[in-house]
This record gives sequence, C-alpha cells and structure tokens, in this order.
Amino acid sequence: SQQGEEDPQALSIQEGENATMNCSYKTSINNLQWYRQNSGRGLVHLILIRSNEREKHSGRLRVTLDTSKKSSSLLITASRAADTASYFCATDQTGANNLFFGTGTRLTVIP
Amino acid sequence: NAGVTQTPKFRVLKTGQSMTLLCAQDMNHEYMYWYRQDPGMGLRLIHYSVGEGTTAKGEVPDGYNVSRLKKQNFLLGLESAAPSQTSVYFCASSYWASGSSGELFFGEGSRLTVL
Repeated sequence: SQQGEEDPQALSIQEGENATMNCSYKTSINNLQWYRQNSGRGLVHLILIRSNEREKHSGRLRVTLDTSKKSSSLLITASRAADTASYFCATDQTGANNLFFGTGTRLTVIP
Repeated sequence: NAGVTQTPKFRVLKTGQSMTLLCAQDMNHEYMYWYRQDPGMGLRLIHYSVGEGTTAKGEVPDGYNVSRLKKQNFLLGLESAAPSQTSVYFCASSYWASGSSGELFFGEGSRLTVL
C-alpha cells in the first residue's frame, strides 16, 4: 500500500490540552498535507508543508516534517471541543499524480 | 459559492444494478478526483481527470467508469454494483495537480450501500 500511517489511531484529551498526531510514509515526497474530517462530512484542508520545509505554523496548528525519517507530526495547541474530528495526512509522492491518504487519527476533545 | 457538490448523498442499490454519481464544482478547477473511503482504509483514489475530456485510473479503478464532458462536472459510474462497492464516495477538485501547491476541495460525500 502507498498509504501513510497515522499514529495513534484514536486520541482522547481534555479541552485545553495539546494534541499530537503522527504520520509516517514510505516513499519520497514533494509535499505533505493535513486534512480534517468532521463526522459525516467531507475533508477540509488544514496545512501543506513542502519537502524542503521542516516546520510550519497556522494558528493553533504546528506541523513538522522529517524527510530522513519519512514522518510528520501535527500539533494542535490549546484544543477545543470543536477540534473533535478525524485528521488525515496526505502525501504528494514523487512521480505520482495524486495524493495518498493515511488511515487517520480520530481525535476526541472532552469539554 | 457552492464549492464541490455531490449528488445523490445517499443511495441503496441491489447487486447488479447500475448508477451514476455526479460531482459538480464551481471553482473553475482543472483537476477532479473520485475517492472512496472505507473504515480503516483511509481514502483511495478511484479515477481522476486533469481537464475536460480527460480521465485516468487511480489506485482502485476496477468496476467504475468516469466521464468529464464538461469542465465543471465529473461523473462516476458503477456498471454492475457489487457489495464490495459499499462505501462513502468523495469527489474533490483542485486548481493545480494535487499536491503541486494546491489543496483538494472535497464534496460532502455520497454514501452508497449495495445489498
């Protein structure tokens, strides 16, 4: 499979805590994206990090990329109940013409 | 702006029946995609299109056909539905080839059950 793997599969935290989820992939990439999916809804793009970048921020989101380890992490700081959703990483693999999605991390933020 | 609209949202088919899912986008995007989402499998690409009149196979194309007669529409057809095609189908579009610099914009999904 060319899919990435997210870790953990499920994460439950208290509101206000930070949430960290990880993504590992197998091949060289041009960039990596993170998406969010609320239950029963479509995916929404959160952030894109290019292969030559190591860290990127967007609001309460911080993404890191380690191409030597073929891994990325998404940190959500000061989580809110509204952050409850599934989060997917997607890799733009070199030579491919589409994104390969991971299996997702289901985040539950308890008020 | 409606973004990406999928119809129908829900459908139940019997094995062997055929149907078409319609995806429409109003963002003038060149690239359009059909994915299926199954529990524990993430999203897998079925077919995609890089422009009007073009289509290409993705990761799991068997049992599906597509057409892109108009830039704004991308149709996904099931010729003879099988229970293994029970899934949630997502259409997406992007201005650039997915990943080059652009994000995918997704529809809300079409839930298909094949009995």
